[in-house]
Amino acid sequence: DAGVTQSPTHLIKTRGQHVTLRCSPISGHKSVSWYQQVLGQGPQFIFQYYEKEERGRGNFPDRFSARQFPNYSSELNVNALLLGDSALYLCASSYLDRAGGYTFGSGTRLTVV
Amino acid sequence: GENVEQHPSTLSVQEGDSAVIKCTYSDSASNYFPWYKQELGKRPQLIIDIRSNVGEKKDQRIAVTLNKTAKHFSLHITETQPEDSAVYFCAASRENRDDKIIFGKGTRLHILP
Repeated sequence: DAGVTQSPTHLIKTRGQHVTLRCSPISGHKSVSWYQQVLGQGPQFIFQYYEKEERGRGNFPDRFSARQFPNYSSELNVNALLLGDSALYLCASSYLDRAGGYTFGSGTRLTVV
Repeated sequence: GENVEQHPSTLSVQEGDSAVIKCTYSDSASNYFPWYKQELGKRPQLIIDIRSNVGEKKDQRIAVTLNKTAKHFSLHITETQPEDSAVYFCAASRENRDDKIIFGKGTRLHILP
């Protein structure tokens, strides 16, 4: 059974550009959460989606948006990229409606130059 | 808002000795407390977790304790080995409710030869 898959693995963008990151959860998991991890810090919660609905949002600007598709995969979009958006973006999936913990993907490392 | 405090930020122990990392959380509704190990450039890997209906859990050299009244939880690693060197994150979440994981800032553990 495949784990949480994220794409792309690495990405370099220029300030002001837009980026889309993708995540496929573990089969059976209906909840997907997104986290930003800046070098040297702990992951920070960005969004959580369950059954295609946003269930939680962290303290991030409106330049960050996300959505979840009928197959429970998810996209994270960031507009008007800033240098400070450079980070490892992690996706985690879980059941939500029952215990089972969370599984993280390998992440997408975004570098904004 | 929800917060998880983690101490110490850096910890050096002699190989074979024990290491203890302590965390406190603010959200009394938190019911799931995972611990993650993260090696450089890799995703956080779950090493042990504990739920609020349990006070202690052990898995070989790793143990976690939880004091719900004091909102404290701790990670204990015994007989440390060089491969234990990594950054460790504690976290708190409301499993089965909103799955928002709040991470501590991390502890960099160095195992000295």
